[in-house]
Amino acid sequence: DAGITQSPRHKVTETGTPVTLRCHQTENHRYMYWYRQDPGHGLRLIHYSYGVKDTDKGEVSDGYSVSRSKTEDFLLTLESATSSQTSVYFCAISAASRTDTQYFGPGTRLTVL
Amino acid sequence: AQSVTQLDSQVPVFEEAPVELRCNYSSSVSVYLFWYVQYPNQGLQLLLKYLSGSTLVKGINGFEAEFNKSQTSFHLRKPSVHISDTAEYFCAVFSGNTPLVFGKGTRLSVIA
Repeated sequence: DAGITQSPRHKVTETGTPVTLRCHQTENHRYMYWYRQDPGHGLRLIHYSYGVKDTDKGEVSDGYSVSRSKTEDFLLTLESATSSQTSVYFCAISAASRTDTQYFGPGTRLTVL
Repeated sequence: AQSVTQLDSQVPVFEEAPVELRCNYSSSVSVYLFWYVQYPNQGLQLLLKYLSGSTLVKGINGFEAEFNKSQTSFHLRKPSVHISDTAEYFCAVFSGNTPLVFGKGTRLSVIA
């Protein structure tokens, strides 16, 4: 298994609070991604990174920001959480190209009350 | 924009029967195609992928898929399913400069 960890694995928070999810990899892969998974929607890309300090928006980026200050860490921040952001969040990594296989972390279940 | 359609949201099938999970995509340019599987309470893992070459691609756990450019399809098949194949299956497409796009998933339930 690719070395990808996500923290926390579960979180319950209240509307309006800031939340940061962390993805950590030990594979030294260039690309890192944040997805959200919702019933009936499959996986939707939030943001991705193609190197340290290099990030770009995905399909559903509104309300989310990201940062990547080290190769191994990719942070996803909800500045002011809303109930519509209740979801399961997955981090993924790929080696050298966006056509490379993506390896997924175990996911973080976030509930916003 | 690129889109991926998985034609069945749920597919029940009896153990040892064959199964086909259907996937169609919208791109008219060169594409790279993937099938991922998600077992309960886990992240996704790659089953197989098509980048170029032979249109019949073999993957893990006895699955295979066929790229059909004229039909813009990439259907996943297995000749005989097991209980352990119960999972959600996602088709995904990469083309041009757009990030990988996933379908909405097909939940395969294998019945003993």
